Amino acid sequence: QSVLTQPPSASGAPGQRVTISCSGSNSNIGGNYIYWYQQLPGTAPKVLLFRNDQRPSGVPDRFSGSKSGTSASLAISGLRSEDEAEYYCAAWDDSLTAWLFGGGTKLTVL
Amino acid sequence: EVQLVESGGGLVQPGGSLRLSCAASGFTFDDYGIHWVRQTPGKGLEWVSGISWNGGDIGYADSVKGRFTISRDNAKNSLSLQMSGLTTEDTALYYCAKGSVALWFGELVFDSWGQGTLVTVSS
Repeated sequence: QSVLTQPPSASGAPGQRVTISCSGSNSNIGGNYIYWYQQLPGTAPKVLLFRNDQRPSGVPDRFSGSKSGTSASLAISGLRSEDEAEYYCAAWDDSLTAWLFGGGTKLTVL
Repeated sequence: EVQLVESGGGLVQPGGSLRLSCAASGFTFDDYGIHWVRQTPGKGLEWVSGISWNGGDIGYADSVKGRFTISRDNAKNSLSLQMSGLTTEDTALYYCAKGSVALWFGELVFDSWGQGTLVTVSS
């Protein structure tokens, strides 16, 4: 069981908006940046968001992030079939002195 | 283009040892921290270990501390992970991942990943 808690699955129809949550504690999300990674089927993860809400070049502005207290969210608007993937949140943990990943959320585009 | 190529995975019996390697190219290797991240179908991604640019700072997940040893050879642009005392819980796809900064901790992203090498621990 991961220290960062994500729902195991999420879904939405094309064009809709979906959000994925990530819950942690003061030692990780509460005191540090949250990062989001996207893993398309059969590929390695890639950075989707960093520093809570910053997009690397090439990531569409349909992807956005937010953080409040010890929780964070990834929002995907204008859902497209190519967004079907596994999404992971990640954060540094000051108590464990280790990097943590959430358990992952499998997004299905209906 | 950044490339990370893992090797060394395979089938090993419980209690056994294995050494993973990661060959890096396409960037100045000794400018960046490098990490091992593993993935199992049931437990998703798990950070295993990280090493700073000069090998002077190293970190491990509690689950592997005392059993795994990370090292790097900047002259050969390579990273290694020596694994011993393996258990079935260590069965996973092991990724080599480049950090975005020189240290293994702090504010960073895992900005490039290899394709992984599969480790299976089974009798």
